[in-house]
Amino acid sequence: EAQVTQNPRYLITVTGKKLTVTCSQNMNHEYMSWYRQDPGLGLRQIYYSMNVEVTDKGDVPEGYKVSRKEKRNFPLILESPSPNQTSLYFCASSYRGHEQYFGPGTRLTVT
Amino acid sequence: TQLLEQSPQFLSIQEGENLTVYCNSSSVFSSLQWYRQEPGEGPVLLVTVVTGGEVKKLKRLTFQFGDARKDSSLHITAAQPGDTGLYLCAGNQAGTALIFGKGTTLSVSS
Repeated sequence: EAQVTQNPRYLITVTGKKLTVTCSQNMNHEYMSWYRQDPGLGLRQIYYSMNVEVTDKGDVPEGYKVSRKEKRNFPLILESPSPNQTSLYFCASSYRGHEQYFGPGTRLTVT
Repeated sequence: TQLLEQSPQFLSIQEGENLTVYCNSSSVFSSLQWYRQEPGEGPVLLVTVVTGGEVKKLKRLTFQFGDARKDSSLHITAAQPGDTGLYLCAGNQAGTALIFGKGTTLSVSS
């Protein structure tokens, strides 16, 4: 089954404790991206990757890091999480950056 | 600056009613997509429109791309409670990332 998986689905952590949210897709898509979704602000792109070892900033990259060492994986790293990064995060993949296939989401709470 | 404006932001209707959701911009898009998102889940692609003036139908949903490729609409005929959700439009501009509107939250009650 074609899908995008994210882990964990839920995470509660404390300020400053490094965390990684994993994302994996099995559709051989070149393009992958991370979004955060907040009430009243909609979906905002954090980072995206056009292919392996190619990443670029989206609209709200501050406080986040990504890597794309393999085509199927695109982890999101928060080196020092802060409460303003409490949000619902989605990973997505697509063939050429157009139609996106989204993961189920990761709800992150930073206290 | 929000490049894609969706309206209305919220819509609450009775089962059987018709509705239209709009997605407007002052910019031209090479393609535009509509997604539907249910609570606790990721958005799911409904349709992609590419050609100015294009109309696509998906059962009771009709999608239209404006002639100038700056706007789009989603019309639902005889809405059902199962249509409840957040509807998002998203546009592609050449060489840039996908841009999302803030969405229209639709509630259909029986």
